Amino acid sequence: QKEVEQDPGPLSVPEGAIVSLNCTYSNSAFQYFMWYRQYSRKGPELLMYTYSSGNKEDGRFTAQVDKSSKYISLFIRDSQPSDSATYLCAMNPNFGNEKLTFGTGTRLTIIP
Amino acid sequence: KAGVTQTPRYLIKTRGQQVTLSCSPISGHRSVSWYQQTPGQGLQFLFEYFSETQRNKGNFPGRFSGRQFSNSRSEMNVSTLELGDSALYLCASSPTGSGGHQETQYFGPGTRLLVL
Repeated sequence: QKEVEQDPGPLSVPEGAIVSLNCTYSNSAFQYFMWYRQYSRKGPELLMYTYSSGNKEDGRFTAQVDKSSKYISLFIRDSQPSDSATYLCAMNPNFGNEKLTFGTGTRLTIIP
Repeated sequence: KAGVTQTPRYLIKTRGQQVTLSCSPISGHRSVSWYQQTPGQGLQFLFEYFSETQRNKGNFPGRFSGRQFSNSRSEMNVSTLELGDSALYLCASSPTGSGGHQETQYFGPGTRLLVL
């Protein structure tokens, strides 16, 4: 069993919809949780970074962490065609963000 | 400021050959990490270098090796290539790799390796 599980999709939603992306994990030592966005033929770029349980909001993006359930989510409000990409969750037990453990990524398409 | 650059962008090799990939980090960044990305396994950590020393290592066989130069540029080498080594190899840099949102890893575009 992988340490981090993520539904690979693909996920297609109409423009303006709320998107929910999720990951589950098995390692209770994970404390730092990240979401990356990867466009085709590009490297991943960091979207959100949270520590321990709770919510964090940044514009149209909200990250949630529930450590008791070992479950993290990324919500995208008012989705735009430019949000079409692969979204990767990543996590780390330590303060340093090297040696991240990634999910396999969810491919998201926003339909105009 | 220029981003992380990786060369070459695409590479085709045959089984048994070896390959060297190069990564130039963002100017001033001293930590360089390498990842392998495949559709089935996703992104997997290979190793991290800081100040010319390997500081962290993932669970890959010894055929995968790397090094870092005094200007923080890094290379990774894969010897005796296998079909399963076909993947996108990503390099990421950060100032010191010591953590926190301030230490965001910036990824390069990757080198796509195809082993035939």
